[in-house]
Amino acid sequence: DGGITQSPKYLFRKEGQNVTLSCEQNLNHDAMYWYRQDPGQGLRLIYYSQIVNDFQKGDIAEGYSVSREKKESFPLTVTSAQKNPTAFYLCASSLRGEDTEAFFGQGTRLTVV
Amino acid sequence: GEDVEQSLFLSVREGDSSVINCTYTDSSSTYLYWYKQEPGAGLQLLTYIFSNMDMKQDQRLTVLLNKKDKHLSLRIADTQTGDSAIYFCAESIQGDMRFGAGTRLTVKP
Repeated sequence: DGGITQSPKYLFRKEGQNVTLSCEQNLNHDAMYWYRQDPGQGLRLIYYSQIVNDFQKGDIAEGYSVSREKKESFPLTVTSAQKNPTAFYLCASSLRGEDTEAFFGQGTRLTVV
Repeated sequence: GEDVEQSLFLSVREGDSSVINCTYTDSSSTYLYWYKQEPGAGLQLLTYIFSNMDMKQDQRLTVLLNKKDKHLSLRIADTQTGDSAIYFCAESIQGDMRFGAGTRLTVKP
């Protein structure tokens, strides 16, 4: 079955450690996105990629890094420079340039203690 | 405005209709979406409407689009307790998506 998979569902890390969130899709989508959700707020765009080996910063990229070495994969690294990393992270993918529906993963809840 | 705006809370009785409203930002948005988020789950696409349409109906869901006012609404007929969730409005602008803060719908028996 086609879909988009995020792992793990829950993640705990100590303050000061980098952590990488996984996002994989087998939908043959060119575009992939990372969003962050905080209580009472809408989703905010962290990074997005429209094509392999290329990505752009979203609204809140500081303290995060991404890579897009393969079409299927768009991992997000939450670095120690991110001041408030505890949040719910959603990955999405879509067909590039066609503004069709976006497919979302189940999300990863990151808690930094 | 620069934000997709939604009211944060809506409470209805089971069996009544729910109407969730949204104001979006960009008149060039091509697709407008409604997503549902249940506790502990990712976003589920409920329905979407292309910008050249005024209305779309899908079973209990009706989407109305007023492009002049950049206003989008989602009507849920015969609301059930299983409809309790957070509903996100979103617009698609050249592949970039912008979301509202979500409306928490509570359905009382």
